[in-house]
Amino acid sequence: AQSVTQPDIHITVSEGASLELRCNYSYGATPYLFWYVQSPGQGLQLLLKYFSGDTLVQGIKGFEAEFKRSQSSFNLRKPSVHWSDAAEYFCAVAPGGTYKYIFGTGTRLKVLA
Amino acid sequence: GAGVSQSPSNKVTEKGKDVELRCDPISGHTALYWYRQRLGQGLEFLIYFQGNSAPDKSGLPSDRFSAERTGESVSTLTIQRTQQEDSAVYLCASSITGGASGNTIYFGEGSWLTVV
Repeated sequence: AQSVTQPDIHITVSEGASLELRCNYSYGATPYLFWYVQSPGQGLQLLLKYFSGDTLVQGIKGFEAEFKRSQSSFNLRKPSVHWSDAAEYFCAVAPGGTYKYIFGTGTRLKVLA
Repeated sequence: GAGVSQSPSNKVTEKGKDVELRCDPISGHTALYWYRQRLGQGLEFLIYFQGNSAPDKSGLPSDRFSAERTGESVSTLTIQRTQQEDSAVYLCASSITGGASGNTIYFGEGSWLTVV
């Protein structure tokens, strides 16, 4: 069955430190891949997406993600975290490009001043 | 509008009551979706509209849940005889077109439903 795994439920980093959030998916072909961020009381905002082509994708707010087919991963990275990045991050896949996004359970990021 | 708009933002209801949640998608978006997010969990797909028709209702958890969309715009999700397990955030989303287009889906801020 198709699934998305975000193995880290909570992550705490210091402001200015680098960040990597992990995402692994289970799907037979290359899916469409997304990272969304949800701030408290807010809806989900799209950070970046991967459909095809260059496996390193740049997004908003200084985030990037790398698709690694061999590892079925789509990890999100940021070189220097800001306090405003504290939020919950969701990885999602759209099998075959369909609307039936499959979401991971999220990783809650805490940023220490 | 500029984004997906949902109302109410918060709703507390007594068990057994009916509730209606409203979604106004981004102008020009023909596809509309409802998702549910339970506390500590990822999002669950509920229903997909293309125009006013709902080709995929497979995610609706029971016959107490229904949704409609009129004028290729506003959609209403109705939950009848609410139960405590219905407590969740109900997120509406829209995209330019639906199906297997791969178009990005844009989410509203959600309607927090608490059943007491």
